[in-house]
Amino acid sequence: SAVISQKPSRDICQRGTSLTIQCQVDSQVTMMFWYRQQPGQSLTLIATANQGSEATYESGFVIDKFPISRPNLTFSTLTVSNMSPEDSSIYLCSSTSGEVGDTQYFGPGTRLTVL
Amino acid sequence: GENVEQHPSTLSVQEGDSAVIKCTYSDSASNYFPWYKQELGKRPQLIIDIRSNVGEKKDQRIAVTLNKTAKHFSLHITETQPEDSAVYFCAASRGTGGYNKLIFGAGTRLAVHP
Repeated sequence: SAVISQKPSRDICQRGTSLTIQCQVDSQVTMMFWYRQQPGQSLTLIATANQGSEATYESGFVIDKFPISRPNLTFSTLTVSNMSPEDSSIYLCSSTSGEVGDTQYFGPGTRLTVL
Repeated sequence: GENVEQHPSTLSVQEGDSAVIKCTYSDSASNYFPWYKQELGKRPQLIIDIRSNVGEKKDQRIAVTLNKTAKHFSLHITETQPEDSAVYFCAASRGTGGYNKLIFGAGTRLAVHP
């Protein structure tokens, strides 16, 4: 199974600033995903990041607010831009090899608090 | 798009009892159904999954059943233990063409009392 790490593990930020979260996988993977998990809630998919193409965003999420990079098959970043307290949440990345029905593994998450 | 409903939202059982969590999905093209366990402050961990060509799958005390016609699937935990206490999420995915995005249910908070 893939081992996924994220940096930072947590951060406290001021409103109006931006934070970039890094996600590193220990093997090459086709697909990486970014999720948001608000306190006590389920996981909501923000976007799918494939290497070599633009990220695909889910309804309610836009590139200007959550720009994503996927420079290679083991790494991705998510930036939370112009933050407000409503962005306080846990952000998780996940990955899969892309095979049909392949298991999706999650990183440990980044706990973001916006003041 | 896909919608996954999960019930109950909370479940309290005595140690040794069984626990059942149910999910329904809307997209008939979904063909992959994983279950994740999330302990407080931890990442979601896959505990079992089932693909649409199978009706039931078992792994020790955990089993999942799938009814494609009715579009629902269930998680069964037997002989529950206090360490089973966590939030459980079901999810559904089309999983075709390498597009494996997961749509999650709202979660079930399971409490197992000694």
